[in-house]
Amino acid sequence: AQSVTQPDIHITVSEGASLELRCNYSYGATPYLFWYVQSPGQGLQLLLKYFSGDTLVQGIKGFEAEFKRSQSSFNLRKPSVHWSDAAEYFCAVGERGYQKVTFGTGTKLQVIP
Amino acid sequence: DAGVIQSPRHEVTEMGQEVTLRCKPISGHNSLFWYRQTMMRGLELLIYFNNNVPIDDSGMPEDRFSAKMPNASFSTLKIQPSEPRDSAVYFCAISPTALNTEAFFGQGTRLTVV
Repeated sequence: AQSVTQPDIHITVSEGASLELRCNYSYGATPYLFWYVQSPGQGLQLLLKYFSGDTLVQGIKGFEAEFKRSQSSFNLRKPSVHWSDAAEYFCAVGERGYQKVTFGTGTKLQVIP
Repeated sequence: DAGVIQSPRHEVTEMGQEVTLRCKPISGHNSLFWYRQTMMRGLELLIYFNNNVPIDDSGMPEDRFSAKMPNASFSTLKIQPSEPRDSAVYFCAISPTALNTEAFFGQGTRLTVV
């Protein structure tokens, strides 16, 4: 069965600093990978996804993620964080040809001035 | 979340009462999902439908939970009888195709069972 690990429960960064959120997955084949963001009181919004092809994926709001098969990782990055990026971020993995998606436990991002 | 409307946004009910959560997709989709989010267990998939047909309900915690999708524009998640441990935020999400693609989430229903 597929699984996702987000080792950091909470991260604090200064506004303007770079950001990297970690995600490791467990899946037997090449997975579908997603990053979602959740603002307080809201549903999840897709930031980016990886299905195949280029392992560096660009998303919305200036985010990118890199799929590294050898490390079973799909880390999310942003070169310069804005205060509005404070939210909770979820990594997710899906099986090809199957609708079920497994979400990680999330990383809460706090941005300080 | 513009593609899904959930109601109510907040629900407070007494233990033992029946609770019905509603989901109305307002854009094209093939698949509909019900998730539950809690601090302890994170985001869990309860059940999903393809073309209004339930495909996988292995995440439904107990027989007290049931979900229906009578047509492409409406789905319900019912808990009967409700218990305090059912308190959570319940999300409905849709996916535009039958393949494994991104999901569009509603804003959720925060359920509190006292």
